[in-house]
Amino acid sequence: EADIYQTPRYLVIGTGKKITLECSQTMGHDKMYWYQQDPGMELHLIHYSYGVNSTEKGDLSSESTVSRIRTEHFPLTLESARPSHTSQYLCASSEWGNGSPLHFGNGTRLTVT
Amino acid sequence: RKEVEQDPGPFNVPEGATVAFNCTYSNSASQSFFWYRQDCRKEPKLLMSVYSSGNEDGRFTAQLNRASQYISLLIRDSKLSDSATYLCVVNPDPGATNKLIFGTGTLLAVQP
Repeated sequence: EADIYQTPRYLVIGTGKKITLECSQTMGHDKMYWYQQDPGMELHLIHYSYGVNSTEKGDLSSESTVSRIRTEHFPLTLESARPSHTSQYLCASSEWGNGSPLHFGNGTRLTVT
Repeated sequence: RKEVEQDPGPFNVPEGATVAFNCTYSNSASQSFFWYRQDCRKEPKLLMSVYSSGNEDGRFTAQLNRASQYISLLIRDSKLSDSATYLCVVNPDPGATNKLIFGTGTLLAVQP
């Protein structure tokens, strides 16, 4: 089973604050992803990375940014949080090969007041 | 049209019943297919990959019909613990991006 960790598990924060959602995996996976999921809705890819120093925007436009300085670490940052950013953010990783399944962290549930 | 479409349910079935979910995908070039399970307010977890010849894992059977562009999941002898949302997942890109597309999920509620 993949070991992928997200912190914090829950975050309630005021409008305008800068936040960073942490994601780390210990499997040595090259590919990492951030998905956003609203209650009862499908997951939407917002960022992905093929490896160190590689980051790409996903299919859903997001005001967040990501970085990939180390293989195991893929943090997501919001410079100025807004209520519209309230959602669940799920980090995932996979092995290199196309068609490899994703392993998800347990998510960060963000509420911006 | 969404890239991956599922009947949202809910499917309410008694314990021991057999239940089947279907999922359609729009991109005929799609190469990889999966079923994930997501419990309420939890992360998705891989249930099984779907292979061209069909595959079985215990009480779960997955089928792929490329001609009609649909995937199915059959659950036999339903247990209370099977209650969850089942996500159909497709990789529409034959390249190396591995950007998976998730359906909205089908909610299964197994009743005692």
